[in-house]
Amino acid sequence: GQNIDQPTEMTATEGAIVQINCTYQTSGFNGLFWYQQHAGEAPTFLSYNVLDGLEEKGRFSSFLSRSKGYSYLLLKELQMKDSASYLCAVRDPEGPAGANNLFFGTGTRLTVIP
Amino acid sequence: DAMVIQNPRYQVTQFGKPVTLSCSQTLNHNVMYWYQQKSSQAPKLLFHYYDKDFNNEADTPDNFQSRRPNTSFCFLDIRSPGLGDAAMYLCATSSEGTNYEQYFGPGTRLTVT
Repeated sequence: GQNIDQPTEMTATEGAIVQINCTYQTSGFNGLFWYQQHAGEAPTFLSYNVLDGLEEKGRFSSFLSRSKGYSYLLLKELQMKDSASYLCAVRDPEGPAGANNLFFGTGTRLTVIP
Repeated sequence: DAMVIQNPRYQVTQFGKPVTLSCSQTLNHNVMYWYQQKSSQAPKLLFHYYDKDFNNEADTPDNFQSRRPNTSFCFLDIRSPGLGDAAMYLCATSSEGTNYEQYFGPGTRLTVT
């Protein structure tokens, strides 16, 4: 089976840096995604990691350690608009060939305060 | 712009009255997914189509059905909605060319009265 753990809620100050952690236990692994979801809206893609290490994309960075089953999303220079839920999702190679279903964590609700 | 479109954005139906949610895409992706997401919960995969092949998740109730008449369109049919089926329903697409990154539509929020 699959299990993905994230903190439920986090609060950070505008302009600061915040790290959102994700740990996973899966029978197989073929990549980890981070999505941002504002309240009442669809998830939007932020990052994809399949190899160990850090992927940087502007103010957002994502790190993966496959041996530890661990990832984090790092948000720098926080803005008020970054208040949202951040979903960690693991791609499951156990699905039908080529389909690569995603299993989502419950998400971390980030609140950015002035 | 290429995108995933869901209609309607908000749907109200009565307990037990069949309802259909629709999804269309201009991305020409071969995989389409339907997720159910309840408040403060993770999106839960209901089923997906890989081309024309339908794949149902083991714990998806029989009350939920899907149709994909062509590459662009996919429908979610709820035959007899219960109060517990009130949720956001998300459609997503992916393809091998995008590392199977999933592109989500804006969702349809279903209310059951």
